[in-house]
Amino acid sequence: GEDVEQSLFLSVREGDSSVINCTYTDSSSTYLYWYKQEPGAGLQLLTYIFSNMDMKQDQRLTVLLNKKDKHLSLRIADTQTGDSAIYFCAESISHSSYKLIFGSGTRLLVRP
Amino acid sequence: DADVTQTPRNRITKTGKRIMLECSQTKGHDRMYWYRQDPGLGLRLIYYSFDVKDINKGEISDGYSVSRQAQAKFSLSLESAIPNQTALYFCATSDPKDPTGIYGYTFGSGTRLTVV
Repeated sequence: GEDVEQSLFLSVREGDSSVINCTYTDSSSTYLYWYKQEPGAGLQLLTYIFSNMDMKQDQRLTVLLNKKDKHLSLRIADTQTGDSAIYFCAESISHSSYKLIFGSGTRLLVRP
Repeated sequence: DADVTQTPRNRITKTGKRIMLECSQTKGHDRMYWYRQDPGLGLRLIYYSFDVKDINKGEISDGYSVSRQAQAKFSLSLESAIPNQTALYFCATSDPKDPTGIYGYTFGSGTRLTVV
């Protein structure tokens, strides 16, 4: 079956690195995504990684994909208070017509 | 103007009332989705539509119905609202012809619905 799991909460100090983890069950994922939801807003695509990649870096964001363990992580370097939000992991599966399966979201709190 | 617009942004309704949430998009995407967000449960798919003539149930469709009036419009109805339908509702779109192959979704800002 298709399932995506995340821890619910992470608290870090401003300036530290944050690492948000996600596990998924379907090995036929094509793309994996990280979405960010700020308070009172919808989800915005933050970054994504193709399933044949191991790592993707985009400024302060680093995405790591371990296909063997079906584990995805998002590292935010030099975390700022503006990074406080809920982060959703999602996978796109070709045999489900590329519908996205979302995790439950990780609430990141950045302490000053 | 937002690419995906949801109305209303907030709504309080009474148990047993019929209510419609509306979604319109200017992305030109064929695919549209309705999700429900509850704390700790993430996003759960209610209904989705791959084109005007194609409507499909998601994982939690009981108590809901939808109408795809045009490529740009996809409405969600609660025929007889109940308190456990209190949640944040999101509409989203995607493009199956996305040349990048990324197939990411574009979300509206959400409708916060409270059933009392």
